[in-house]
Amino acid sequence: GNSVTQMEGPVTLSEEAFLTINCTYTATGYPSLFWYVQYPGEGLQLLLKATKADDKGSNKGFEATYRKETTSFHLEKGSVQVSDSAVYFCAPFVGGYNKLIFGAGTRLAVHP
Amino acid sequence: DTGVSQDPRHKITKRGQNVTFRCDPISEHNRLYWYRQTLGQGPEFLTYFQNEAQLEKSRLLSDRFSAERPKGSFSTLEIQRTEQGDSAMYLCASSFGSGDYNEQFFGPGTRLTVL
Repeated sequence: GNSVTQMEGPVTLSEEAFLTINCTYTATGYPSLFWYVQYPGEGLQLLLKATKADDKGSNKGFEATYRKETTSFHLEKGSVQVSDSAVYFCAPFVGGYNKLIFGAGTRLAVHP
Repeated sequence: DTGVSQDPRHKITKRGQNVTFRCDPISEHNRLYWYRQTLGQGPEFLTYFQNEAQLEKSRLLSDRFSAERPKGSFSTLEIQRTEQGDSAMYLCASSFGSGDYNEQFFGPGTRLTVL
Protein backbone atom coordinates (compact mmCIF):
# COMPACT_ATOMS: atom_id res chain seq x y z
CA GLY A 1 0.00 0.00 0.00
CA ASN A 2 0.90 3.67 -0.03
CA SER A 3 2.91 4.95 2.92
CA VAL A 4 5.36 7.62 4.04
CA THR A 5 8.22 7.29 6.50
CA GLN A 6 9.57 10.46 8.01
CA MET A 7 12.46 11.14 10.29
CA GLU A 8 11.28 11.04 13.87
CA GLY A 9 11.34 14.20 15.87
CA PRO A 10 11.69 16.35 17.66
CA VAL A 11 14.66 17.85 15.90
CA THR A 12 16.33 20.56 17.96
CA LEU A 13 18.82 22.90 16.29
CA SER A 14 20.60 26.13 16.99
CA GLU A 15 19.89 29.10 14.76
CA GLU A 16 21.91 29.03 11.50
CA ALA A 17 22.43 25.27 11.67
CA PHE A 18 21.90 23.00 8.65
CA LEU A 19 18.64 21.07 8.53
CA THR A 20 17.80 17.75 6.92
CA ILE A 21 14.49 15.95 7.43
CA ASN A 22 14.41 12.58 5.71
CA CYS A 23 11.35 11.30 3.89
CA THR A 24 10.85 8.09 1.94
CA TYR A 25 7.62 6.85 0.45
CA THR A 26 5.95 3.83 -1.06
CA ALA A 27 3.43 4.56 -3.77
CA THR A 28 2.24 3.29 -7.10
CA GLY A 29 3.77 5.04 -10.09
CA TYR A 30 5.48 8.40 -9.81
CA PRO A 31 3.40 10.61 -7.57
CA SER A 32 3.78 14.34 -7.16
CA LEU A 33 5.51 15.07 -3.85
CA PHE A 34 4.78 17.79 -1.33
CA TRP A 35 6.12 19.18 1.93
CA TYR A 36 3.54 20.88 4.12
CA VAL A 37 4.31 22.91 7.25
CA GLN A 38 2.21 23.59 10.32
CA TYR A 39 3.34 26.57 12.38
CA PRO A 40 2.18 26.77 16.02
CA GLY A 41 -1.51 27.66 16.16
CA GLU A 42 -1.89 27.73 12.38
CA GLY A 43 -3.26 25.47 9.68
CA LEU A 44 -1.36 23.33 7.22
CA GLN A 45 0.25 25.22 4.38
CA LEU A 46 2.23 24.13 1.38
CA LEU A 47 5.97 24.63 1.70
CA LEU A 48 7.17 23.20 -1.61
CA LYS A 49 6.44 20.56 -4.22
CA ALA A 50 7.98 18.53 -7.06
CA THR A 51 5.99 16.84 -9.76
CA LYS A 52 8.49 14.62 -11.58
CA ALA A 53 11.79 12.83 -11.10
CA ASP A 54 14.84 15.05 -10.46
CA ASP A 55 12.65 18.12 -9.97
CA LYS A 56 13.78 20.37 -7.12
CA GLY A 57 11.14 22.20 -5.16
CA SER A 58 12.20 25.28 -3.22
CA ASN A 59 10.65 27.96 -1.04
CA LYS A 60 11.77 30.18 1.87
CA GLY A 61 15.27 28.72 1.68
CA PHE A 62 14.02 25.13 1.92
CA GLU A 63 14.74 22.64 -0.86
CA ALA A 64 13.81 19.06 -1.68
CA THR A 65 14.70 16.94 -4.72
CA TYR A 66 12.48 14.21 -6.14
CA ARG A 67 14.64 11.06 -6.14
CA LYS A 68 12.82 8.35 -8.07
CA GLU A 69 15.54 5.73 -7.61
CA THR A 70 15.44 5.93 -3.83
CA THR A 71 11.77 7.05 -3.57
CA SER A 72 12.89 9.88 -1.34
CA PHE A 73 12.12 13.58 -0.96
CA HIS A 74 14.39 14.86 1.81
CA LEU A 75 13.89 18.42 3.04
CA GLU A 76 16.95 20.64 3.54
CA LYS A 77 17.74 24.16 4.60
CA GLY A 78 21.20 25.63 4.85
CA SER A 79 20.60 27.97 7.77
CA VAL A 80 17.53 27.64 9.95
CA GLN A 81 15.90 30.48 11.88
CA VAL A 82 13.85 30.51 15.06
CA SER A 83 10.81 31.28 12.90
CA ASP A 84 11.21 27.91 11.15
CA SER A 85 10.10 26.13 14.32
CA ALA A 86 7.08 24.09 13.21
CA VAL A 87 5.91 20.61 12.29
CA TYR A 88 6.87 19.45 8.80
CA PHE A 89 4.91 16.84 6.86
CA CYS A 90 6.04 14.94 3.80
CA ALA A 91 3.12 13.93 1.54
CA PRO A 92 2.97 12.23 -1.85
CA PHE A 93 -0.16 12.92 -3.86
CA VAL A 94 -1.61 9.63 -4.94
CA GLY A 95 -3.30 10.77 -8.12
CA GLY A 96 -5.32 7.67 -8.77
CA TYR A 97 -6.88 8.04 -5.36
CA ASN A 98 -6.96 11.83 -5.36
CA LYS A 99 -5.52 12.25 -1.91
CA LEU A 100 -2.38 13.19 0.01
CA ILE A 101 -0.72 10.51 2.11
CA PHE A 102 0.92 12.22 5.07
CA GLY A 103 3.85 11.12 7.15
CA ALA A 104 3.64 11.39 10.93
CA GLY A 105 5.32 14.78 10.85
CA THR A 106 8.64 15.99 12.19
CA ARG A 107 8.67 18.67 14.84
CA LEU A 108 11.52 21.17 14.47
CA ALA A 109 12.56 23.43 17.31
CA VAL A 110 15.15 26.12 16.58
CA HIS A 111 16.64 28.03 19.49
CA PRO A 112 18.71 31.24 19.40
CA ASP B 1 -10.63 35.28 -1.40
CA THR B 2 -10.17 34.44 2.25
CA GLY B 3 -9.23 30.81 1.91
CA VAL B 4 -10.89 27.65 3.18
CA SER B 5 -13.08 28.20 6.21
CA GLN B 6 -14.47 25.69 8.67
CA ASP B 7 -17.17 25.94 11.26
CA PRO B 8 -17.20 25.45 14.16
CA ARG B 9 -13.55 25.67 15.17
CA HIS B 10 -14.17 23.69 18.33
CA LYS B 11 -16.91 21.25 19.31
CA ILE B 12 -17.34 19.46 22.60
CA THR B 13 -20.04 16.82 22.73
CA LYS B 14 -21.12 13.87 24.80
CA ARG B 15 -20.76 10.33 23.60
CA GLY B 16 -23.74 9.25 21.56
CA GLN B 17 -24.63 12.70 20.26
CA ASN B 18 -24.59 13.69 16.58
CA VAL B 19 -22.37 16.47 15.29
CA THR B 20 -22.10 18.26 11.96
CA PHE B 21 -19.20 20.27 10.62
CA ARG B 22 -19.19 22.65 7.71
CA CYS B 23 -16.46 23.49 5.21
CA ASP B 24 -16.50 26.37 2.75
CA PRO B 25 -13.80 25.86 0.11
CA ILE B 26 -12.11 28.53 -1.93
CA SER B 27 -14.65 29.64 -4.50
CA GLU B 28 -14.45 27.82 -7.84
CA HIS B 29 -12.34 25.01 -6.38
CA ASN B 30 -13.88 21.85 -7.78
CA ARG B 31 -12.09 19.39 -5.49
CA LEU B 32 -12.81 19.08 -1.79
CA TYR B 33 -11.21 16.72 0.73
CA TRP B 34 -11.84 15.80 4.35
CA TYR B 35 -8.98 14.57 6.53
CA ARG B 36 -8.74 13.62 10.19
CA GLN B 37 -5.70 14.36 12.34
CA THR B 38 -5.09 12.90 15.77
CA LEU B 39 -2.52 14.24 18.21
CA GLY B 40 1.04 13.65 17.08
CA GLN B 41 0.04 12.16 13.74
CA GLY B 42 -0.28 13.37 10.19
CA PRO B 43 -3.68 13.91 8.61
CA GLU B 44 -5.48 10.82 7.30
CA PHE B 45 -7.71 10.95 4.25
CA LEU B 46 -11.44 10.48 4.86
CA THR B 47 -13.28 11.38 1.68
CA TYR B 48 -13.06 13.28 -1.60
CA PHE B 49 -15.54 15.24 -3.71
CA GLN B 50 -15.16 16.39 -7.26
CA ASN B 51 -17.83 19.04 -7.64
CA GLU B 52 -20.90 17.47 -6.00
CA ALA B 53 -19.87 13.85 -6.56
CA GLN B 54 -18.32 11.90 -3.70
CA LEU B 55 -15.75 9.83 -5.57
CA GLU B 56 -13.86 8.14 -2.77
CA LYS B 57 -14.34 7.20 0.85
CA SER B 58 -11.69 5.80 3.15
CA ARG B 59 -12.22 2.64 5.14
CA LEU B 60 -11.78 4.95 8.15
CA LEU B 61 -15.19 6.41 7.34
CA SER B 62 -17.54 4.09 9.16
CA ASP B 63 -21.30 4.02 8.60
CA ARG B 64 -21.64 6.64 11.33
CA PHE B 65 -19.92 9.18 9.12
CA SER B 66 -21.57 10.88 6.17
CA ALA B 67 -20.45 13.74 4.00
CA GLU B 68 -22.23 15.82 1.42
CA ARG B 69 -21.42 18.58 -0.98
CA PRO B 70 -24.68 19.83 -2.42
CA LYS B 71 -24.32 21.90 -5.58
CA GLY B 72 -20.58 21.46 -5.48
CA SER B 73 -20.01 24.35 -3.09
CA PHE B 74 -19.78 23.96 0.70
CA SER B 75 -19.53 20.54 2.30
CA THR B 76 -20.79 19.03 5.55
CA LEU B 77 -19.41 16.13 7.54
CA GLU B 78 -21.79 14.49 10.00
CA ILE B 79 -20.86 12.02 12.69
CA GLN B 80 -23.71 10.11 14.25
CA ARG B 81 -23.59 8.48 17.70
CA THR B 82 -20.17 9.91 18.46
CA GLU B 83 -17.61 7.82 20.28
CA GLN B 84 -14.57 8.91 22.28
CA GLY B 85 -12.35 7.57 19.50
CA ASP B 86 -13.81 10.20 17.17
CA SER B 87 -12.00 12.93 19.09
CA ALA B 88 -9.63 14.53 16.59
CA MET B 89 -9.05 17.55 14.37
CA TYR B 90 -11.15 17.39 11.23
CA LEU B 91 -9.53 19.19 8.31
CA CYS B 92 -11.03 20.30 5.05
CA ALA B 93 -8.97 21.09 1.96
CA SER B 94 -9.80 22.25 -1.54
CA SER B 95 -8.03 22.49 -4.86
CA PHE B 96 -8.74 23.43 -8.44
CA GLY B 97 -8.17 21.48 -11.62
CA SER B 98 -7.86 17.89 -12.68
CA GLY B 99 -4.15 17.12 -12.37
CA ASP B 100 -2.37 15.33 -9.57
CA TYR B 101 -0.03 18.20 -8.82
CA ASN B 102 -2.45 20.91 -7.76
CA GLU B 103 -1.90 22.35 -4.32
CA GLN B 104 -4.48 21.55 -1.71
CA PHE B 105 -5.39 24.52 0.49
CA PHE B 106 -6.30 23.58 4.04
CA GLY B 107 -8.75 25.15 6.41
CA PRO B 108 -8.01 25.77 10.10
CA GLY B 109 -9.83 22.60 11.14
CA THR B 110 -12.59 21.71 13.59
CA ARG B 111 -11.38 20.19 16.83
CA LEU B 112 -13.85 17.63 18.16
CA THR B 113 -13.77 16.44 21.74
CA VAL B 114 -16.11 13.61 22.70
CA LEU B 115 -16.63 13.25 26.44
